[in-house]
Amino acid sequence: DIQMTQSPSSVSASVGDRVTITCRASQGISSWLAWYQQKPGKAPKFLIYAASSLQSGVPSRISGSGSGTDFTLTISSLQPEDFATYYCQQTNSFPLTFGGGTKVEIK
Amino acid sequence: EVQLLESGGGLVQPGGSLRLSCVASRFDFSEYGMSWVRQAPGKGLEWVSGFSGNTGSTYYADSVKGRFTISRDNSKETLSLQMTSLRAEDTAVYYCAKSNLPIVGATAFDYWGQGTLVTVSS
Repeated sequence: DIQMTQSPSSVSASVGDRVTITCRASQGISSWLAWYQQKPGKAPKFLIYAASSLQSGVPSRISGSGSGTDFTLTISSLQPEDFATYYCQQTNSFPLTFGGGTKVEIK
Repeated sequence: EVQLLESGGGLVQPGGSLRLSCVASRFDFSEYGMSWVRQAPGKGLEWVSGFSGNTGSTYYADSVKGRFTISRDNSKETLSLQMTSLRAEDTAVYYCAKSNLPIVGATAFDYWGQGTLVTVSS
């Protein structure tokens, strides 16, 4: 199985800050990576697929990059609605696996 | 807008069984893969089981293999998860999720249901 490791597990930031979250796969997955945002008590929201393709409706301040084993999610200027937990997921092969999550908190 | 509506969650004793259902609407259900993803209280996301496209291929996480069975009824646009031999560690919110591409194989999930809570406790 492919293990997905996210870092940091949490980050404190202010509105307007640039935030970067890292996701590492235990083996190469090309660009088969997705990102999700989840707020408390809500279902995850789909943000990015194929490592860097933004889902329709997702603001352009959110971006993804990487390939192989190392990936990043960047929020260029943090907005109040961005405070949430973010998960990466490999879509290379079954069993599908998620990272442990990164909680973006208000500083 | 795509809709996924789960039902069937509840309180069940260890060793018991439960059947979850997910009714889909507003997309061509038969063309897309579907999965169940769960989230234990205060924990992260865990993929549980899925159908790959419309080939009938099914997949399971090791943690549920042999205990859970996924099925789908395309005529009723319904995805189901039959859960048996339930354990305390199966306690979670179970989400139904739609694959983002009409292809065979592993995919991301572009739409999720609201989730249904399964609690395994005596």
